[in-house]
Amino acid sequence: GAVVSQHPSWVICKSGTSVKIECRSLDFQATTMFWYRQFPKQSLMLMATSNEGSKATYEQGVEKDKFLINHASLTLSTLTVTSAHPEDSSFYICSARVTDTDTQYFGPGTRLTVL
Amino acid sequence: AQSVTQLGSHVSVSEGALVLLRCNYSSSVPPYLFWYVQYPNQGLQLLLKYTTGATLVKGINGFEAEFKKSETSFHLTKPSAHMSDAAEYFCAVSEGGGNKLTFGTGTQLKVEL
Repeated sequence: GAVVSQHPSWVICKSGTSVKIECRSLDFQATTMFWYRQFPKQSLMLMATSNEGSKATYEQGVEKDKFLINHASLTLSTLTVTSAHPEDSSFYICSARVTDTDTQYFGPGTRLTVL
Repeated sequence: AQSVTQLGSHVSVSEGALVLLRCNYSSSVPPYLFWYVQYPNQGLQLLLKYTTGATLVKGINGFEAEFKKSETSFHLTKPSAHMSDAAEYFCAVSEGGGNKLTFGTGTQLKVEL
């Protein structure tokens, strides 16, 4: 149980284009999902907290207009990187929290490369 | 504010030897503590967690960790390392259940024959 999927697992795009990453909780409902960014050999940095049916809460320094988050259902959250640039290249990982519990379950991550 | 310090970015042990990965935290409220493991190009898998109650918690794959409030520590141990344990390990803290996690910088565990 508690499986989280991400799609795509990797994506290569041209500078200036937008990329959408999906995060799905497959066997549970997640009121809250989280989006993290991980640079090579570094830890995970929380970008934003996504609550179903409401606006996401962004961490300090994260541009909400660049990283658009939508959490339209209890099993799906999406992260759209708009007008991507090479510095946005990173490993993006989502997690989902089982409603009314204290544990986050993580997706397998999406490797974004912007050329 | 909460924070996590993982001492030793790289730890190397022999197969069959004790694994000890160190984690110290700071939190303004009673913490929830987690250990996650990450294999290359994959997401994080929960090893174990401490919320309340028994301070020695057992997780998957033979790992365990002990919450020591007086030392603000939550070190991860395993009596006998296996080659398959080679991975990156992250300690994380949250101030209360369901709240955002703050991760340590990670410890890369290498297991040698």
